Amino acid sequence: GAVVSQHPSRVICKSGTSVKIECRSLDFQATTMFWYRQFPKKSLMLMATSNEGSKATYEQGVEKDKFLINHASLTLSTLTVTSAHPEDSSFYICSARVTGEYGYTFGSGTRLTVV
Amino acid sequence: GDSVTQMEGPVTLSEEAFLTINCTYTATGYPSLFWYVQYPGEGLQLLLKATKADDKGSNKGFEATYRKETTSFHLEKGSVQVSDSAVYFCALISGSARQLTFGSGTQLTVLP
Repeated sequence: GAVVSQHPSRVICKSGTSVKIECRSLDFQATTMFWYRQFPKKSLMLMATSNEGSKATYEQGVEKDKFLINHASLTLSTLTVTSAHPEDSSFYICSARVTGEYGYTFGSGTRLTVV
Repeated sequence: GDSVTQMEGPVTLSEEAFLTINCTYTATGYPSLFWYVQYPGEGLQLLLKATKADDKGSNKGFEATYRKETTSFHLEKGSVQVSDSAVYFCALISGSARQLTFGSGTQLTVLP
């Protein structure tokens, strides 16, 4: 089946540093990937839609310069949290729509803790 | 716009109890409906789906029927197990939308 591999699963970083999260589609090509943020005991908030070879589309209220998204190939999308602060601590999940099916596959998530 | 409303949790049940998690939606046109499950510390996994009215999605003992007349997609399981403890999300996609719209999630805890 369609698998999205997300790394790292957990990361702890210091305030002011940047963190990169990767999502790779392992057995299919993902022209579009979605990045979500999940707060404790809350639903998923769509942050941005990542399109291969073009600029990402950000949801209202999401800072483009803070959450940099790159989708340079059909199998890799990255989210970089720049100048991270404790309030950026969260669970980040990527997702890709599987071509030809009414379904989406999700990465296993990244727990980011900024100290 | 599209929206999904789920019953608020948390829900705590004893093993072998009957489970219902309510989900209703508003959407343009005829959406496809999904239930996703999230185990602790993990991403989401598709549990079941239904793409048209009166369809029943089923998987691992869970079932949900697409009810157009009540705009609902309630999740049910006849006998829950401890391993079913997770967060369950109802979701939809409609029309030309490219991303899922999620409900708020329902935390289920099953006690032995």
